Amino acid sequence: SQTIHQWPATLVQPVGSPLSLECTVEGTSNPNLYWYRQAAGRGLQLLFYSVGIGQISSEVPQNLSASRPQDRQFILSSKKLLLSDSGFYLCAWSVLPDTQYFGPGTRLTVL
Amino acid sequence: AQKITQTQPGMFVQEKEAVTLDCTYDTSDPSYGLFWYKQPSSGEMIFLIYQGSYDQQNATEGRYSLNFQKARKSANLVISASQLGDSAMYFCAMREGTGANNLFFGTGTRLTVIP
Repeated sequence: SQTIHQWPATLVQPVGSPLSLECTVEGTSNPNLYWYRQAAGRGLQLLFYSVGIGQISSEVPQNLSASRPQDRQFILSSKKLLLSDSGFYLCAWSVLPDTQYFGPGTRLTVL
Repeated sequence: AQKITQTQPGMFVQEKEAVTLDCTYDTSDPSYGLFWYKQPSSGEMIFLIYQGSYDQQNATEGRYSLNFQKARKSANLVISASQLGDSAMYFCAMREGTGANNLFFGTGTRLTVIP
């Protein structure tokens, strides 16, 4: 069966520091991968999605970036965090045109 | 215009009763998919049920059913025989088309099951 992992589970970072969140999927090949952000009390907003290694599409311009170095690995990064980057980050996978399945999430607090 | 609208910020239901969570959507694409997710306090988004725009029958998954009214563009979630563990945020989402598209999420409904 397929599983999706995210780490770290929680993170507290100072403004201006770098960020790296990792997501890995097991049990499937060539999935579509997604990064979402959820602000407190809000719905999810798509940040990036990827249909294959090295292929990244950005939905919202911001100081975040994403990379997909391996088929089942998706990384969310920032060179300098802003206060507004605080939130709950969720990674998801799907095999088209099917349902998206989410990971456990990373709660990021920028101070 | 919002693609997904959930007009109920919070709902209460007595244990063992049924509850309906509202969702309306807006799209001009004839091919789309509608999803419901549950988000407990732990934060994980748990997939509950899916309805395709061409599906003739309402989707059902155990105690969950989706009341799909295409002409009214509504996709309400019905939870039967509510349990205390059903207390959570519930999000309606839509995928337009069949490509690698994102999900548009509503703002969610917080369901509280009362013992």
